[in-house]
Amino acid sequence: EDQVTQSPEALRLQEGESSSLNCSYTVSGLRGLFWYRQDPGKGPEFLFTLYSAGEEKEKERLKATLTKKESFLHITAPKPEDSATYLCAVQAILTGGGNKLTFGTGTQLKVEL
Amino acid sequence: GAVVSQHPSRVICKSGTSVKIECRSLDFQATTMFWYRQFPKQSLMLMATSNEGSKATYEQGVEKDKFLINHASLTLSTLTVTSAHPEDSSFYICSATPRGPEAFFGQGTRLTVV
Repeated sequence: EDQVTQSPEALRLQEGESSSLNCSYTVSGLRGLFWYRQDPGKGPEFLFTLYSAGEEKEKERLKATLTKKESFLHITAPKPEDSATYLCAVQAILTGGGNKLTFGTGTQLKVEL
Repeated sequence: GAVVSQHPSRVICKSGTSVKIECRSLDFQATTMFWYRQFPKQSLMLMATSNEGSKATYEQGVEKDKFLINHASLTLSTLTVTSAHPEDSSFYICSATPRGPEAFFGQGTRLTVV
């Protein structure tokens, strides 16, 4: 069974204080690992897809990296508007599995002035 | 990115009534859409995969007769919660994958059953 564990559950940062969020996963053949941002009462917003170990993707203050067991979402010099829940999800290579995603419970990030 | 629109964003209904939630792909055609449920501080749980022109595929433990899914066109899937009870209160979210594996999500529907 595919599993995704995210840590920490919650993270409080001062504006400008860089940090990393962790996503550990076990999957029977990784098709892709995805990062999403979710604001309260909203659906998840797509951020990144990573396909293979060693891959990195960047967008503004966010950088996602991938190893064979985990992914990190690095946040550099965060701003209050980066406050949100960050979700990690994996998709397995499955015959007939379609595009099913398995999600972690997320890291709730709060960036304070 | 692709746009997935979900309606309504919030709904309150009385126990025993049915509620329909719509999920539309606005700028692409979706032969498959996905319905998730999210409880507070928990991860998104896949309920079912909606297939255009055929029956939906439900995840283990999800009652087919309780959560009716209809995917009648390439841009619209609906989820009907039948005979709703307070324990059905939750955040329901749909998604679609217009190209490649990346899923794009609707805004979500907060269902409260009183």
